[in-house]
Amino acid sequence: TQLLEQSPQFLSIQEGENLTVYCNSSSVFSSLQWYRQEPGEGPVLLVTVVTGGEVKKLKRLTFQFGDARKDSSLHITAAQPGDTGLYLCAGVGQGGNQFYFGTGTSLTVIP
Amino acid sequence: NAGVMQNPRHLVRRRGQEARLRCSPMKGHSHVYWYRQLPEEGLKFMVYLQKENIIDESGMPKERFSAEFPKEGPSILRIQQVVRGDSAAYFCASSPLLAGSTDTQYFGPGTRLTVL
Repeated sequence: TQLLEQSPQFLSIQEGENLTVYCNSSSVFSSLQWYRQEPGEGPVLLVTVVTGGEVKKLKRLTFQFGDARKDSSLHITAAQPGDTGLYLCAGVGQGGNQFYFGTGTSLTVIP
Repeated sequence: NAGVMQNPRHLVRRRGQEARLRCSPMKGHSHVYWYRQLPEEGLKFMVYLQKENIIDESGMPKERFSAEFPKEGPSILRIQQVVRGDSAAYFCASSPLLAGSTDTQYFGPGTRLTVL
């Protein structure tokens, strides 16, 4: 059973376009994290959102945590080729040290 | 401060052999997680360890797989009698686990296991 479903699974866009990636679950999490992974490397943490309804911005990336703390979205404005990678969301369990990773969204930004 | 180290980066084994994957956490981190990843997929949790203790092994297959994190030395993920289906990337992450806060994991570069 996959706790966290991400959509879309694959996304290919032109440089300069905007995009949104969704991370959905029927479970409630204490917090949610987004990672980016490049080929041949381990995931790198981008952000942690903790409060329901919270919005965090990281340059051109905007992260939102759903009010019920079951889902999240990542919005990228004016995508650049350097944004290419696998984006993973991870729900954090109540104890703070159990991580449930989503299915992943593979993003390709074409110059 | 060196990051999480994993070795080897690539490991090739024939069916029936043993695979040993090593993970050295970041300095000062006493918690280690192991994950498995198939191409274009997310990470599947396998096991969570503290020094000399297995905290959660709910994601670990019951047979052939074992993990340890001794008092001294790296954490080891051991796969006995490997089969082709074990081929995957195995990632280790370490964390300091600050009390009262959401844990932050730092991932290693992974070990890519290929079973021939």
